[in-house]
Amino acid sequence: GAVVSQHPSRVICKSGTSVKIECRSLDFQATTMFWYRQFPKQSLMLMATSNEGSKATYEQGVEKDKFLINHASLTLSTLTVTSAHPEDSSFYICSARAQTASYTFGSGTRLTVV
Amino acid sequence: KNEVEQSPQNLTAQEGEFITINCSYSVGISALHWLQQHPGGGIVSLFMLSSGKKKHGRLIATINIQEKHSSLHITASHPRDSAVYICAVRSLEGGADGLTFGKGTHLIIQP
Repeated sequence: GAVVSQHPSRVICKSGTSVKIECRSLDFQATTMFWYRQFPKQSLMLMATSNEGSKATYEQGVEKDKFLINHASLTLSTLTVTSAHPEDSSFYICSARAQTASYTFGSGTRLTVV
Repeated sequence: KNEVEQSPQNLTAQEGEFITINCSYSVGISALHWLQQHPGGGIVSLFMLSSGKKKHGRLIATINIQEKHSSLHITASHPRDSAVYICAVRSLEGGADGLTFGKGTHLIIQP
């Protein structure tokens, strides 16, 4: 079945630094990838939709200059949290949509900003 | 705005019990997904539904499009079924592409 690999699974960084999270579809081409954020005991919230070769579409309230998304190929999308602050600490998860319209999720990244 | 409501929020049951988790949504959808989130955070897609009923092993998912309601059932529940079960929908409105999620149902199956 479809597999999405997300790395790293956990990262701790200092306030003010940038962190890159990778999301890779291993055995299928994902024309669309999605980035979500989940705070403790909350729903997953869509941050942005990423289409290969074009600019990401951000949801209202998500700063595009802070959360940089690159979807350079049909198998790779990256999310870079720039100038991270403690309030950015969260669980970030990507999903990729195949042509079958099913969604496959990455395993998530636990970001802690200290 | 699309709202996705799940009930119950928390459910503790004994091994072997029949489990039902409900999901209601407020707008027209193209598909509904049931997801399982493990303690580490990883998410597994269980079902994608647009009508009727699907079965996979001990899991059954049903959807009633007219009533905007779906249920996830687990038969002969087992402690390994303990997880957060999340309902997510893809809205028909505004060309929305991403999913809208419910808050999840935290299921604990006791041996």
